[in-house]
This record gives sequence, structure tokens and C-alpha cells, in this order.
Amino acid sequence: EVQLLESGGGLVQPGGSLRLSCVASGFTFRNYAMSWVRQAPGRGLEWVSVISGSGDSTYYADSVKGRFAISRDNSKNTLYVQMNSLRAEDTAVYYCAKDLVCDWNNCAGFDSWGQGILVTVSS
Amino acid sequence: IQLTQSPSSLSASVEDRVTITCRASQGISYSLAWYQQKPGKAPKLLIYAASTLHSGVPSRFSGSGSGTDFTLTISSLQPEDSATYYCQQLYSYPITFAQGTRLEIK
Repeated sequence: EVQLLESGGGLVQPGGSLRLSCVASGFTFRNYAMSWVRQAPGRGLEWVSVISGSGDSTYYADSVKGRFAISRDNSKNTLYVQMNSLRAEDTAVYYCAKDLVCDWNNCAGFDSWGQGILVTVSS
Repeated sequence: IQLTQSPSSLSASVEDRVTITCRASQGISYSLAWYQQKPGKAPKLLIYAASTLHSGVPSRFSGSGSGTDFTLTISSLQPEDSATYYCQQLYSYPITFAQGTRLEIK
């Protein structure tokens, strides 16, 4: 059974930093692209970032580019996102998600999601 | 690539046939997925590659379309289908979601 477990969320002041982790199990982690998706309170889903299975390729939404950095440690089956210069508008539940089939190209959809972790940016 | 879903909300009765549409701002071939999300829960994948039913998803859900116009159909609405539905394009990065459709059961 695939499991994704996020951690590292919490309350942080504007301008602060936070690192989220997502520990994966139940599949061959290095074979799949992994994404972060967030959802602000009462709002829709917003894709944040993706990293290829090898970790060599990354992509970011414009809203976080230059502030967030996605990474992975395939030896630990763990996905990360380092979030810097946080703003109030980054307040959201953050999900890690696995694609159904792809390592980087020809992705199909996110078949497994974590339970979500809340990040609150407020003074 | 922008995705526009319609309607933004709808109310329907049990056993009704419901259709939600998703339009892309440019052609995305068949690279579209549909999700169902219930309050406080992570989204669940329903359909991928525009029309392929994900494992374990009831057969009353179906998807169609290609290029720029796509539809999600629920053939016979059930009470447990009350949720918000999202389409997502995976044709090119950045991946994008539409704003969602809130489906209420009358």
C-alpha cells in the first residue's frame, strides 16, 4: 500500500522559513516524479512544484519560484520542500503527491496523496 | 495553460446525470485528469488521460474529450458523490488545476 506522510508544518512569521518533508513507502520511490500541491483555506488546489525521479529536474509555479526549493533523498524515500521568504498568501494545507506513471514526462495524474500538513504564515 | 471549469457549482438529485466541463486555453491532447475532493480530505484521482477510469473508481464516472474541451460525467448521481471536482492538465509544466466545481445533492 502506498503511503505518503508529510511533516514539518506549523506557524511561521512572514519572511520566515520552513522545511516540509514527505516520507514515502509502498512503491519504488526513485521511479516516480513527486509534486507538492497546496490548498489555501476555502480555496482550490494549486500545484506548487515537481521533481523528477532522479532529482535532476525541477519546476516551480511562478508564485513560489525563487523562494521555494524542492528536493528528494531517494536513499531515504523522502521528498522535501524548503520554503523561504514566506508570505501570508503561502498559508495553506500542503500535500505531497505521486504521479501514477511518470518519472518526468508524460505524466498522467496524481494517484497517491499525503494527508496534508498545514502551514500558517502570520505574525 | 489555463483551465476553466463550468459550472462552478451545481445542485442535482440522486440518480441524475451530471456533466462538468473543463476547457483548456490551448491544446493539451489527452493529458487531463479529474479529481474528487471531500471536505478535509486529500483529492482522489478519478480519471486520467482524459477518459481512463482509475482503479477502484465506480463505473458511473466517465471522462471524454481531447485537445481543449473535456467533460466529466456522472451517469447516476449517488449521495456519496457530494464533493468538489477538479480538472488538471499535465501536458506541460507548470501543471495547472481548474478552480473546481462544487456538487451538492438536493
